[in-house]
Amino acid sequence: QSVLTQPPSVSGAPGQRVTISCTGSSSSIGAGHDVHWYQQLPGTAPKLLIYDNSNRPSGVPDRFSGSKSGTSASLAITGLQAEDEADYYCQSYDSRLSAAVFGGGTQLTVL
Amino acid sequence: EVQLLESGGGLVQPGGSLRLPCEASGFTFSSYAMSWVRQAPGKGLEWVSGISGSGGNTYYADFVKGRFTISRDNSKNTLYLQMNSLRTEDTAVYYCAKDPTRGYSGTYLDYWGQGTLVTVSS
Repeated sequence: QSVLTQPPSVSGAPGQRVTISCTGSSSSIGAGHDVHWYQQLPGTAPKLLIYDNSNRPSGVPDRFSGSKSGTSASLAITGLQAEDEADYYCQSYDSRLSAAVFGGGTQLTVL
Repeated sequence: EVQLLESGGGLVQPGGSLRLPCEASGFTFSSYAMSWVRQAPGKGLEWVSGISGSGGNTYYADFVKGRFTISRDNSKNTLYLQMNSLRTEDTAVYYCAKDPTRGYSGTYLDYWGQGTLVTVSS
């Protein structure tokens, strides 16, 4: 059971918009801790996609965006492309656990 | 270019030990905190341990406290994870990852290695 809750899977057709939610608690996201997102392509290491809720590292397309509100955060992907098919993980910090925590991951399928 | 290269993985019996090195290049190693994150086969990511840039402060997930030790040799640009009293549930790919700041704070990890597989089985 992950500390942060994500849907196991989402899907969308090429060109469409999808969102992935990440729900925490009063000791994690609700405590004001930032949320970060990673993309893991099949068979590869995770790659930082969004940091500090809504910032994109250099090289990440602006089709990817992040937001945070209350005890939840969301990753939005617009103009879906086949190459976006991957697992996506959210991450934050939990004050009660004194540890970085991850969501269980969401598998994105491009139909 | 930042590069992180883990090694040392392999098959070990329950109760055994293993040490994982992670060689870093492309950045001033001592200026950044580092972390270990693991991923069991077919499962999600799980933070294991973190260490400050100086090595003076270390942090552990509850499930490895007392069994795993994180350390670093800044003269060799190398991060380590000493794993003792290994259990079958420790079977995973272990990634080393770079923090964006000197002091460990549980924030995002901006660069990751390719990982090394540790299998704990009799």
